[in-house]
Amino acid sequence: DIQMTQSPASLSASLGETVTIQCQASEDIYSGLAWYQQKPGKSPQLLIYGASSLQDGVPSRFSGSGSGTQYSLKISSMQTEDEGVYFCQQGLKYPLTFGSGTKLEIK
Amino acid sequence: EVQLVESGGGLVQPGRSLKLSCAASGFTFSDYYMAWVRQAPTKGLEWVASISYDGGSTYYRDSVKGRFTISRDNAKSSLYLQMDSLRSEDTATYYCTTGYYFDYWGQGVMVTVSS
Repeated sequence: DIQMTQSPASLSASLGETVTIQCQASEDIYSGLAWYQQKPGKSPQLLIYGASSLQDGVPSRFSGSGSGTQYSLKISSMQTEDEGVYFCQQGLKYPLTFGSGTKLEIK
Repeated sequence: EVQLVESGGGLVQPGRSLKLSCAASGFTFSDYYMAWVRQAPTKGLEWVASISYDGGSTYYRDSVKGRFTISRDNAKSSLYLQMDSLRSEDTATYYCTTGYYFDYWGQGVMVTVSS
């Protein structure tokens, strides 16, 4: 199985700050990576797919990058509504696997 | 508007069965792979099973293989998860979702396995 290691586990950011979350795969996933945001009591929402493609309706302050085994999600200007838990997920091979999540809070 | 509405959850004793359903609308159901993803209380996301467009191919995580069965009815735009021999570790909110990048999600249905 492909293991997804996400870091950090939690972070706090000020309004307007740039935030970066990392995700490392245990093997090359050839950009087969997605990022999700989950707010308390809500279903996850797809933000990024194919490592860098922005899902329709997602604000442009979100961006994804990376290749091989290393990927990152960047929020270019932290907003209040960006608080939540972020998960990465590899879509290359079954079993599909998620990272353990990063809890993002406003400082 | 895309809608996925799960039903069938509840409290069940270990070893018993439960069948989840997901009613889809707002998109061409047969054009999508479908999946179930679960989330144990206060935990992360865990993929459970996926099914191809016509149901001809199915995929499961090892811990549910032989106990869970994913199926679909394209004429009814519905997805199912038959869960047999339930264990306490199956306790979670189960989400119906689309694709292999999960672009649409239901609201989730809670399954509690406890005596």
